[in-house]
Amino acid sequence: DAKTTQPPSMDCAEGRAANLPCNHSTISGNEYVYWYRQIHSQGPQYIIHGLKNNETNEMASLIITEDRKSSTLILPHATLRDTAVYYCIVRVGSSNTGKLIFGQGTTLQVKP
Amino acid sequence: EAQVTQNPRYLITVTGKKLTVTCSQNMNHEYMSWYRQDPGLGLRQIYYSMNVEVTDKGDVPEGYKVSRKEKRNFPLILESPSPNQTSLYFCASLERGEQFFGPGTRLTVL
Repeated sequence: DAKTTQPPSMDCAEGRAANLPCNHSTISGNEYVYWYRQIHSQGPQYIIHGLKNNETNEMASLIITEDRKSSTLILPHATLRDTAVYYCIVRVGSSNTGKLIFGQGTTLQVKP
Repeated sequence: EAQVTQNPRYLITVTGKKLTVTCSQNMNHEYMSWYRQDPGLGLRQIYYSMNVEVTDKGDVPEGYKVSRKEKRNFPLILESPSPNQTSLYFCASLERGEQFFGPGTRLTVL
């Protein structure tokens, strides 16, 4: 699975959009981009994933560049409860192992 | 409600005293796994199971055992716990690429 690079920390004002970047320059054609978050030692929570098209769900939007070497997770209206560590993970979507390789992630601090 | 449950949530024990951490999921998922999380090392996979009676080692299996006698349950067994197994443990199940994690078990081995 390809490696990802994320900034260690970011701040965001409450109510504003939080844009979390991720670089995955060695991504392969059959690898998906997944985002999870972990709030204060709770179990990681799935947010969204995509292959090459932009994706949106009730939690967030995922923007993947055309060359697929980077992506951005967007939380449109961040709240204090969105303060968490966000992990960008690249893996083969149909992989049977299911193993997720978590890096250090980005600690997002949402401030009032 | 779809969920993964773990018990106990917190446990303090002593070196060498066998313990079991239970994990159960109600989503009929075939794939389940165990991770441990340590500061600076992220989450690392201990064992996984692709179905009943099918288990395999992850990245850090030493000192752990698992079993999968039923689809819903995947207990983690520490036959002789040691202090280096003090950690935060997560069970997870998988469906179509999305992993569902349990709430975690914080284990301290003295």
